[in-house]
Amino acid sequence: EAQVTQNPRYLITVTGKKLTVTCSQNMNHEYMSWYRQDPGLGLRQIYYSMNVEVTDKGDVPEGYKVSRKEKRNFPLILESPSPNQTSLYFCASSSRTSGDTQYFGPGTRLTVL
Amino acid sequence: SQQGEEDPQALSIQEGENATMNCSYKTSINNLQWYRQNSGRGLVHLILIRSNEREKHSGRLRVTLDTSKKSSSLLITASRAADTASYFCATDDQGAQKLVFGQGTRLTINP
Repeated sequence: EAQVTQNPRYLITVTGKKLTVTCSQNMNHEYMSWYRQDPGLGLRQIYYSMNVEVTDKGDVPEGYKVSRKEKRNFPLILESPSPNQTSLYFCASSSRTSGDTQYFGPGTRLTVL
Repeated sequence: SQQGEEDPQALSIQEGENATMNCSYKTSINNLQWYRQNSGRGLVHLILIRSNEREKHSGRLRVTLDTSKKSSSLLITASRAADTASYFCATDDQGAQKLVFGQGTRLTINP
């Protein structure tokens, strides 16, 4: 089954404790991206990747890192989480670009205390 | 800046009725997409309409696009309780390689 998976689905952590949210797709997609969704602010892009070893900043990259060492995986790293990073995070992938149909993961609800 | 803006923000109708949601955007587009999100869950792609298309159908969904008015509408016919969700339009900012989402329309279908 074609899908995008994220782990963990729920996470409560404390300020400053490094964490990684994994994202994996099994559709051989070139394009992957991360969004965060906040009430009143909608979905905002954090980072995207056009292919292996090619990543770039989105609208709200501060406090986040990403890597794309393999085509299927695009982890989101929070080196020192802060409470303002409490949010619902989505990973998405598509065949080539942002203009193609996006396949979204189920989401990761992160709470930073 | 936010490109897609949906209207209305919330819509509540009876099962069996049709639901119409509108989306406006600001700049030129290559395509416009509609997504559905059930509460707190991932977005699901519904339909993509290209800038040279005026209307597209998929099952009970009908999407129109008016590039002169920079607007699109999503019509869901014969609504069902399972259609209860938030609906988002998204336009492609190719220069920034991102989809720009509107705030969404929260649709409630009452049995």
